[in-house]
Amino acid sequence: SSGLIQDPAVSVALGQTVRVTCRGDSLEGFYASWYQQKPGQAPTLVMYGRDKRPSGIPDRFSGSSSGDTASLTISGVQAEDEADYYCNSRDNSGNGHVFGTGTKVTVL
Amino acid sequence: EVQLLESGGGLVNPGGSLRLSCAASGFPFSSYAMKWVRQAPGQGLEWISGISGSGVSKFYTDSVRGRFTISRDNSNNTLYLEISSLRVEDTAVYYCAKESRDYGYLDYWGRGTPVTVSS
Repeated sequence: SSGLIQDPAVSVALGQTVRVTCRGDSLEGFYASWYQQKPGQAPTLVMYGRDKRPSGIPDRFSGSSSGDTASLTISGVQAEDEADYYCNSRDNSGNGHVFGTGTKVTVL
Repeated sequence: EVQLLESGGGLVNPGGSLRLSCAASGFPFSSYAMKWVRQAPGQGLEWISGISGSGVSKFYTDSVRGRFTISRDNSNNTLYLEISSLRVEDTAVYYCAKESRDYGYLDYWGRGTPVTVSS
């Protein structure tokens, strides 16, 4: 199945807003989920079901989707938000998963 | 509290084998599908295998099908990944993850176990 494409890197000033996008045909049929990964750590879930936040994730994180594109928006970016972000969905078979190529978010 | 703890990684020669384990606690293990995800050095995340809660249904990505075998022991709350015919490109940190019942997202991850394939 085809993969999910993300911009490799994005920079954002402290306190500003950044949007991370993810594009792929599997997103036409399945919701995206989003994972944050800091250096040397395991990924953690930050968004699922298009716009749902797990317990403990700040409300500055939000999600949206349309067609074959899903987005993760961080409003009022904090220094601790600097990390790699990966999108994920089920693949077109519905049995496997596919991850996005990852976006490194740098906070200036 | 949900906990996932991987073990079994290490240094292995090309063509060799390992068995990775993931000890789970804090949730009804047999009720949830489980996944293995790996991350090569400096690279992104790659889903490699999944198994249903009962263990009946198993799925693999193409690059590992026929070489890797996923299984689970629901009586001991443990997930396994037998990896064989290892290649240098299988070098990665291997994570186990719990899949949610709805939406198919991975809500809990272990810390990972590193596998290095080198002669």
